[in-house]
Amino acid sequence: KNEVEQSPQNLTAQEGEFITINCSYSVGISALHWLQQHPGGGIVSLFMLSSGKKKHGRLIATINIQEKHSSLHITASHPRDSAVYICAAQGGSQGNLIFGKGTKLSVKP
Amino acid sequence: DGGITQSPKYLFRKEGQNVTLSCEQNLNHDAMYWYRQDPGQGLRLIYYSQIVNDFQKGDIAEGYSVSREKKESFPLTVTSAQKNPTAFYLCASSRTGGHQPQHFGDGTRLSIL
Repeated sequence: KNEVEQSPQNLTAQEGEFITINCSYSVGISALHWLQQHPGGGIVSLFMLSSGKKKHGRLIATINIQEKHSSLHITASHPRDSAVYICAAQGGSQGNLIFGKGTKLSVKP
Repeated sequence: DGGITQSPKYLFRKEGQNVTLSCEQNLNHDAMYWYRQDPGQGLRLIYYSQIVNDFQKGDIAEGYSVSREKKESFPLTVTSAQKNPTAFYLCASSRTGGHQPQHFGDGTRLSIL
């Protein structure tokens, strides 16, 4: 069993829809990262959180430490949000990241 | 603007050849990382370095080598011992101390001729 599981694997949405991507982890963590990988391959860090909720523009990330679960929400989705979204668990303050396999999101106009 | 530069973007290797992937950062980060990405799999850590002249093996270091002679540079050599080198390689860097986000390059896609 992978230590970091994401669902769904693939997601297609219509422009304007509210999107949720889920991440469950089986390891003890000190922080959870959400990353965005563009079609060309470059990766951008979206959020790093260890409790509660963070918001940046139309993106919201939440984490429930007790349930070992995090979600990434996108409100009013847009075709430019189409990308692969990756969650990664960090085991300690100097711990290396353990990555999920990613969720491929396609937003249709 | 500060960032991470990986080169080349595409690289082809003949059987039995060593190739070196370049990674340079001007973010003044102490820590640097190399990851490998295969279709349908999460990123896997090859090597990482927390400080100049020091580096550690990650989960899949066999067939790879690195050096860290300068803070801003962390080249990765894919040796002929790596039997399945075709993959997408990503370099990242971060500050050290506490939880720090990692900054990624745009990657190098390596293929075998």
